[in-house]
Formats: sequence, C-alpha cells, structure tokens
Amino acid sequence: NAGVTQTPKFQVLKTGQSMTLQCAQDMNHEYMSWYRQDPGMGLRLIHYSVGAGITDQGEVPNGYNVSRSTTEDFPLRLLSAAPSQTSVYFCASSEGQAPYYNSPLHFGNGTRLTVT
Amino acid sequence: GQQVMQIPQYQHVQEGEDFTTYCNSSTTLSNIQWYKQRPGGHPVFLIQLVKSGEVKKQKRLTFQFGEAKKNSSLHITATQTTDVGTYFCAVTGGFKTIFGAGTRLFVKA
Repeated sequence: NAGVTQTPKFQVLKTGQSMTLQCAQDMNHEYMSWYRQDPGMGLRLIHYSVGAGITDQGEVPNGYNVSRSTTEDFPLRLLSAAPSQTSVYFCASSEGQAPYYNSPLHFGNGTRLTVT
Repeated sequence: GQQVMQIPQYQHVQEGEDFTTYCNSSTTLSNIQWYKQRPGGHPVFLIQLVKSGEVKKQKRLTFQFGEAKKNSSLHITATQTTDVGTYFCAVTGGFKTIFGAGTRLFVKA
C-alpha cells in the first residue's frame, strides 16, 4: 500500500495563478481532509470530505475549492494564488467511522507551495 | 468550534532529561489524539485517549487524559536525540480534527 500520495512535492506560483494539489489514497478510507501548516500555527483544516460527493469547509476554507468524485481522490484547487497561501499543505485520510469520525489520520508527505 | 491550547511552544532539553507537553481545553473533550512530526516530515499518529483519567504508555512515552477530560499531557522519560520533532495534540468533533499549535522538542546530545 502506498498510503496517502500527494503531488507535487514542491510548487512555485505567481500571484493570481491557479493550480490543483493532488491527493490520492489506496486504503479505501471514507474520510479525507486538507490541512495547511504555517510556522507556530500548527495544522489548520481547510476542507474535508466524509465520502464521495460530500465535502465541507474547515477552519480556513477561503481561496480553496475541493471536490470528491471518487473515494480515492481529493484534489485541492487554489483559484487565484496569493502570497498568504505560501505554506505546506498536507492531505490526510482516515476510516472515518460514523458517527464520531475520530479515527486516526494518515498523512501524505506534503506539498511545499510558494507564492511570489 | 473546539480549540485546544498547547504549551510550551518550544522546549530545549539535554539528552537524558525528561520532557512534558500539555494540551488544555475550556470544554469537555470526547477524545484526544497525539501526533509526532519529525523535522521535514509529516505528522504521524501516536495514540488516542477516550476515557476520563486514562493513562497509556508506549516505551518511554506516557500519555494522560485528565479526569474532567479537559486536558491531556505527553511525558517523555529520558529523552533521546530520536525524540526531536514537534508533538501535536488534536481533538475531534463535528467531523473535524482540530490540532493544537504543537510543542517543538530540541534534544542536545
């Protein structure tokens, strides 16, 4: 099993450009989520999904879109990149057992994004 | 939404010294999870606590959940250089897992 796979590992964008961060998992997990990590601020939840076709906002959703067309994939789209979106982005998945969805998260290796 | 405060932000220790990080909430928690992130790496799940007053051990790591389920701690006995990294607590609720800011541990050999 590859676990959670994120691509690309590194990306540099110019302000205003758009791009998609890819995330795929092969563990048949229902729950997937995106976090951003900034120094001193821990991990902040951007968006999450409890299953194919279902997504919702986390703590810091502005400027990001997600979709979940399959169980395996959960891409994160930056609509118009801004320097404030410079960060490390982590995708995570879990078994997501209802009703508490408190299963441990499995993280990908992250994408380091710089917006100039 | 749920929030957790984690202290200290940083801790420098000499190898062999003990280390403790604390996680506090103003509300009662259903559970708490702990993760470790090595420098340049991704967070890795360590343990989950769900019961009031629960204590779990993993080799030199001891995890506690407070009696009121509003706080938790991670204690490392006799730190080693392999313990370096950032330790996060995390709480779940409403389909979300919310992380504390983390405690970064530096170990000097």
